[in-house]
Amino acid sequence: DTGVSQDPRHKITKRGQNVTFRCDPISEHNRLYWYRQTLGQGPEFLTYFQNEAQLEKSRLLSDRFSAERPKGSFSTLEIQRTEQGDSAMYLCASSFSDGYGYTFGSGTRLTVV
Amino acid sequence: DQQVKQNSPSLSVQEGRISILNCDYTNSMFDYFLWYKKYPAEGPTFLISISSIKDKNEDGRFTVFLNKSAKHLSLHIVPSQPGDSAVYFCAASAPTQGGSEKLVFGKGTKLTVNP
Repeated sequence: DTGVSQDPRHKITKRGQNVTFRCDPISEHNRLYWYRQTLGQGPEFLTYFQNEAQLEKSRLLSDRFSAERPKGSFSTLEIQRTEQGDSAMYLCASSFSDGYGYTFGSGTRLTVV
Repeated sequence: DQQVKQNSPSLSVQEGRISILNCDYTNSMFDYFLWYKKYPAEGPTFLISISSIKDKNEDGRFTVFLNKSAKHLSLHIVPSQPGDSAVYFCAASAPTQGGSEKLVFGKGTKLTVNP
């Protein structure tokens, strides 16, 4: 197992377009998290899955954002009608049930032009 | 409002000396604290953590100290090495209704260790 994988690493899109990111967690981990990091800030929590169930969502996750984790394995994060303010690094992390010290992927850097 | 604060955006130290990175928090519900290290173009890497029931945790060159009454924690790196140059994030966790251990991060401190 090579850790948490995220695809793509970089995405440039035009404002108004939809984008989808994928995260493959460490296979033994049943928890999966999405965070967003903007320039000069620390990562901010977006949402969390325990297996296939999405149990928490941040207020940052507007109705243009949707996340899924079918079958409790990989996860996707979709942003509809992208805005320039969506430009950020989107980080995925996974962990065991005790949650602490989870493993982050390398992130997907989104640029909306 | 920022619940986890790292007031020093950057820190520069000489190789072999001690690096001390500081972090303050405001939420008294936080019960677990972590430090992450981040290199450019990579995700954060877990470094060391401490539970609120302890005041010190040590792992090799890294030691984290927690002062609950002051709502302050610090990371000590001794001796500092050039490979330690990275951005260090302080993070804290509190129990949530959904059962996640979601983390609240500070803005990070960029450490530069000069040879």
